[in-house]
Amino acid sequence: DAGITQSPRHKVTETGTPVTLRCHQTENHRYMYWYRQDPGHGLRLIHYSYGVKDTDKGEVSDGYSVSRSKTEDFLLTLESATSSQTSVYFCAITPGGSGANVLTFGAGSRLTVL
Amino acid sequence: DQQVKQNSPSLSVQEGRISILNCDYTNSMFDYFLWYKKYPAEGPTFLISISSIKDKNEDGRFTVFLNKSAKHLSLHIVPSQPGDSAVYFCAASGGSSGDKLTFGTGTRLAVRP
Repeated sequence: DAGITQSPRHKVTETGTPVTLRCHQTENHRYMYWYRQDPGHGLRLIHYSYGVKDTDKGEVSDGYSVSRSKTEDFLLTLESATSSQTSVYFCAITPGGSGANVLTFGAGSRLTVL
Repeated sequence: DQQVKQNSPSLSVQEGRISILNCDYTNSMFDYFLWYKKYPAEGPTFLISISSIKDKNEDGRFTVFLNKSAKHLSLHIVPSQPGDSAVYFCAASGGSSGDKLTFGTGTRLAVRP
C-alpha cells in the first residue's frame, strides 16, 4: 500500500526463535498499530503507538513487544515465537484527529512458526 | 468477549442483486462504525463509515445503516458486482476504547456472475 510497507512479507521460523516484523511509513502519521488476523477472530489489536517512544498494549499483547524510535518505523518483536503466534500480521497508520478512526493498512506479514 | 459480531461467515449473491452484510455490537458506548474490505494477500481497505448521530450513510453503491436501539449495523451493496467479492469487516470505536478500533470476525462475500 502506498506510504506503508511491511517486511518481511513471509517468514517461516521455528518455535523458540526471536522474530521481528517491521512497519515503515512515509506519511508522517502519528499513530501506528499492529494487528493480527486469525480465522474466527477477525483483526485483533496487539500493540499501538501514539508517537515516538509512546507505545501501549492492545487486547492480545502477551508474547509481543514493540518499539518506535522514529516516527516512520514501528517494530513488532516476538521474543520467543510459539506456534500460537502463527498468523498474518498487519500494520496500520492514521494521522489522528478527526481521521483517527480511518486506518490505512499495510499488505501484511504472514508468519509461520513450526 | 466479542464486542463486535458478524454472525454470517459467508454470503453468496448473484451479480446485480443486493448484498446485505450484518454486524451486531454489545458496547453501547461505541459511537463510530466503519466497514473495511479485504482482498486475499492484501491489507484491509476502508470502505464507508457512520457516526452514531446518523442512521444512514451512502457512498455510491454502498450504504451503511445504523440501528442504535438494536445495536445493529448493516452494509448494503447495490448492485453487487463480481469485483465486490472479498471479506468485509465491520469495526467500532468509542467509549473506553477511544479511537482504537474493535473489529468483527468478517464475512466473506462471493458475487456470482
